[in-house]
Amino acid sequence: AQKITQTQPGMFVQEKEAVTLDCTYDTSDPSYGLFWYKQPSSGEMIFLIYQGSYDQQNATEGRYSLNFQKARKSANLVISASQLGDSAMYFCAMRALSGGSNYKLTFGKGTLLTVNP
Amino acid sequence: EAEVAQSPRYKITEKSQAVAFWCDPISGHATLYWYRQILGQGPELLVQFQDESVVDDSQLPKDRFSAERLKGVDSTLKIQPAELGDSAMYLCASSWRAGMNEQYFGPGTRLTVT
Repeated sequence: AQKITQTQPGMFVQEKEAVTLDCTYDTSDPSYGLFWYKQPSSGEMIFLIYQGSYDQQNATEGRYSLNFQKARKSANLVISASQLGDSAMYFCAMRALSGGSNYKLTFGKGTLLTVNP
Repeated sequence: EAEVAQSPRYKITEKSQAVAFWCDPISGHATLYWYRQILGQGPELLVQFQDESVVDDSQLPKDRFSAERLKGVDSTLKIQPAELGDSAMYLCASSWRAGMNEQYFGPGTRLTVT
């Protein structure tokens, strides 16, 4: 079974500052992928960044980076230079890469990020 | 840019009525997923299709929910009869194949059962 824990129900950050959203996970799968999605108030889920469990380097996508610490089972999202448009719900998710779980995504409960001007 | 289409965007229905949601995945995507997202929670997979076949419906309440993807393209999720606890966002996603890293999500259907 897979489990994602996001302990921060809400976070506030000033515009142009960096913010870290926490995510810890638990799984028995030997290889897995970790994802972050953004969900604005309009409802759609927007893929942000992906990290494979065997990737040697932390993933980066523009202003997003994933701080992957395998031994601690954490996959924190770092957003640099926050913008007002970053205000949204952020979900951490994972899935097995071995196919045993039919590749379904398991999501955390999310963190609501508010960027203040 | 190709997108996953869903309709309706919003649906209000009375308890015990039937309701249906439609999803059209990105062209060429063989894998289609239906998720339910209760307010304040992350999405939870209801059913996964590979082409026209169901590969995972372990979390689908089969006494009232049904899903089909007859031609392996678009899909319909039905609830009959709807219950108050079914109020949620219903999200459809697709990927080129099941092992792909990225699932593309549609805008969702927000269901309110009164």
